[in-house]
Parts: sequence; C-alpha cells; structure tokens
Amino acid sequence: EAGVTQFPSHSVIEKGQTVTLRCDPISGHDNLYWYRRVMGKEIKFLLHFVKESKQDESGMPNNRFLAERTGGTYSTLKVQPAELEDSGVYFCASSQVPKMNTEAFFGQGTRLTVV
Amino acid sequence: AQKITQTQPGMFVQEKEAVTLDCTYDTSDQSYGLFWYKQPSSGEMIFLIYQGSYDEQNATEGRYSLNFQKARKSANLVISASQLGDSAMYFCAMRFMDTGRRALTFGSGTRLQVQP
Repeated sequence: EAGVTQFPSHSVIEKGQTVTLRCDPISGHDNLYWYRRVMGKEIKFLLHFVKESKQDESGMPNNRFLAERTGGTYSTLKVQPAELEDSGVYFCASSQVPKMNTEAFFGQGTRLTVV
Repeated sequence: AQKITQTQPGMFVQEKEAVTLDCTYDTSDQSYGLFWYKQPSSGEMIFLIYQGSYDEQNATEGRYSLNFQKARKSANLVISASQLGDSAMYFCAMRFMDTGRRALTFGSGTRLQVQP
C-alpha cells in the first residue's frame, strides 16, 4: 500500500514568487492535515480537511496560504507571494476517522527555502 | 492553552544503553491521546507508540515504552538497548479530544544521537 506522498521534496524560490506543494494521502483516508516546521521549532498545525471540506483552518498563518482538496483526493498548498519566513518543512498527514488513538501517517515533507 | 514541552533539544546515548526522552504537557482536557514519532535524517515521520489518557498501564512496543505519569502531566519515551539506527529526531505529540481539534499538537522535538 502506498504511503502519503509529497512533492516536490525540495523547493527553492525567490521572495515574491509562488510555490505549490502537493500531497497525495493514503487511499481511503478522508482526513488530511497540513503541518509546518520552521527550523528548530515545533511542528505546527496548518489545517485539516475532511474529504474536500476544510474542517479546521485555524493554523493557517495568513491569506498568502491557500489550501485546496478538490474531489477529496490529493491536496495542494499554495503560497503566494512567498516571504522569507515561509521557509521550513511542510508536512502532510492523513488518517482515518481521528479517534483518540488514531495514528496519523505522514509524508516525507517538502523543504521550502525562500531566498 | 494546550502546550507540549520537550526540554531536551539534544541527547547522547551509548549504544546498548537505555535513554529517556522527556515530554510534559499542559491541558485541562480529560480525554487525550499521546503519541511519539521518530524522524530519521531521511525525513519521514514514523509512528512509534501511543498512550491514551485513560489507559492505566504504560504502553510498550518492542524496545519502546512510555512512562506515563498523568498527575505530573508527563509522557516520557524510554528506548531500551539503543541502536545506531535510533539516531533521529523524536517528537512527542497529542490529540486533545475535548477541544474539537482532531489534528495533532507537537512538541519541539529532541535530537537523539547514539554513539558506538
């Protein structure tokens, strides 16, 4: 069974440019999450999809970030325009119905560097 | 506010010895799940072990065990008989069930280095 897949694995862009990250969750997982880890700090929640609906987007830092999950399958996270502080590793995770003990399966992350 | 604290940014341990990675948390929720993840240099996040807030016994999974002290709000990970392959970042995470958010909340992580 394929795991959570993210691409690109690395992206280096200039300040002001646009970048789109993609996440393919495990097949059958309706719940999809985006997280971000800025260097040396904790992994922070960005948002949570249930199928194609945004269940919780309280962690999105500002309106330069736009997440979509059309059709309830893969998801994209677009940063436009990118700023230096957006640099970090962006993780995607998916799970079945999130009960207390439900494991979240993570992708390998996209390392974004804004220069 | 719910917060998870991992006070050890880095730890060293000799191969074959045991090591304890600390995790404390702050919450008023009664229902929560505790998770530990390992992130090797390759980047993927690997689930290690889970403990529920109502579980009376400490969780164990092979060489991993969780020292859960509910009254002290701590959930330390114990790795026995460390191996070189255990060198990685380790994250403590929680799912707080009373607040409605179903995403995990993470600590800042501990980098473990196992020395031969």
